[in-house]
Amino acid sequence: GENVEQHPSTLSVQEGDSAVIKCTYSDSASNYFPWYKQELGKRPQLIIDIRSNVGEKKDQRIAVTLNKTAKHFSLHITETQPEDSAVYFCAATSNNAGNMLTFGGGTRLMVKP
Amino acid sequence: EAQVTQNPRYLITVTGKKLTVTCSQNMNHEYMSWYRQDPGLGLRQIYYSMNVEVTDKGDVPEGYKVSRKEKRNFPLILESPSPNQTSLYFCASSFVASKNTQYFGPGTRLTVL
Repeated sequence: GENVEQHPSTLSVQEGDSAVIKCTYSDSASNYFPWYKQELGKRPQLIIDIRSNVGEKKDQRIAVTLNKTAKHFSLHITETQPEDSAVYFCAATSNNAGNMLTFGGGTRLMVKP
Repeated sequence: EAQVTQNPRYLITVTGKKLTVTCSQNMNHEYMSWYRQDPGLGLRQIYYSMNVEVTDKGDVPEGYKVSRKEKRNFPLILESPSPNQTSLYFCASSFVASKNTQYFGPGTRLTVL
């Protein structure tokens, strides 16, 4: 089955700097890669996703890139703000897996004012 | 309001005492799933259901049961809880056709003494 690894496990940045979180996956059939943000004590919420037919997707200050050859994808947050502080999870799935998402271990992002 | 609800939100119980955590969604989603979240391990899938009367094991199904008698409800049953099932549990749902934009419930924090 799919295995997703996520790095780093913790990331501390100054407000205004950029943050990058990287994930690798094992199943070459995976074709959907969402990112979830979980604030302290809250539920995970989808912030951006990418499908295998595109290499990059942007939504305001966040962007996701996908390298299918290398089987890795990354989340980029620019101009970080204190409210970006949260745990971020990447995930992957394929048509073969139905809707079953395999999640990475999470990255705790801390943005210092 | 479109939402996924879980009950109870917090539960402290003792080893061996059967319990049920309910999950309900009002979005007419076909797909429903249960995850557990443990520190450093991210979100791991317990069971999922693609539609009424269709359930499948996820990555960590041991010690859990589920049922899907109605489209909106997907209860998680612990027949004989043990301390290693102390965790934060999330229910999630989505349309099968929307390719995995999963909506999470608020979470249930379970402690088994």
